[in-house]
Amino acid sequence: NAGVTQTPKFQVLKTGQSMTLQCAQDMNHEYMSWYRQDPGMGLRLIHYSVGAGITDQGEVPNGYNVSRSTTEDFPLRLLSAAPSQTSVYFCASSSTGTGGYTFGSGTRLTVV
Amino acid sequence: ELKVEQNPLFLSMQEGKNYTIYCNYSTTSDRLYWYRQDPGKSLESLFVLLSNGAVKQEGRLMASLDTKARLSTLHITAAVHDLSATYFCAVDDRDDKIIFGKGTRLHILP
Repeated sequence: NAGVTQTPKFQVLKTGQSMTLQCAQDMNHEYMSWYRQDPGMGLRLIHYSVGAGITDQGEVPNGYNVSRSTTEDFPLRLLSAAPSQTSVYFCASSSTGTGGYTFGSGTRLTVV
Repeated sequence: ELKVEQNPLFLSMQEGKNYTIYCNYSTTSDRLYWYRQDPGKSLESLFVLLSNGAVKQEGRLMASLDTKARLSTLHITAAVHDLSATYFCAVDDRDDKIIFGKGTRLHILP
């Protein structure tokens, strides 16, 4: 059972480039979320989804897009990377709103 | 808008001592979560608290929830070095958004 799989683990982008961070879970979880973690800021919610076809904005959605075409996948797209998006990104999933999240291993993104 | 505040943000304590981490939140919720993160690692779920008065214990850690006071505590009993980590609380805002506090970095000295 793989749990929550994030790819890539590390990425360096140039300012203005776009890319997609992949997230897949094999636990048939309905809830999925993307967070970014910056020193001293805790985890901040970017976007979340309560099921296939449903997405909503979190605390810091600007500069990011998501889609949820299947239960398993929840990719995060950076439209035009900026240095302020340098961060560690975590994807997480949960079976219901009452369960704790299972987190992926994270993607460390650097924008130069 | 839900705000989640943890204190202290940094705690250095000696082995064998007891201490409590506090998590306050600003709007009504009855779902609160505690996570642990080791340096350079992902987050691990510790406790899920789903009702007023809920208390969960695992080893030297005990978490409780008071929804009327909008307060959760994570109590550490007789700390050991292996408990050194960053601890996060997170609250469900009832719109299915789970908002995290900034974390408490716990350093336990031998």
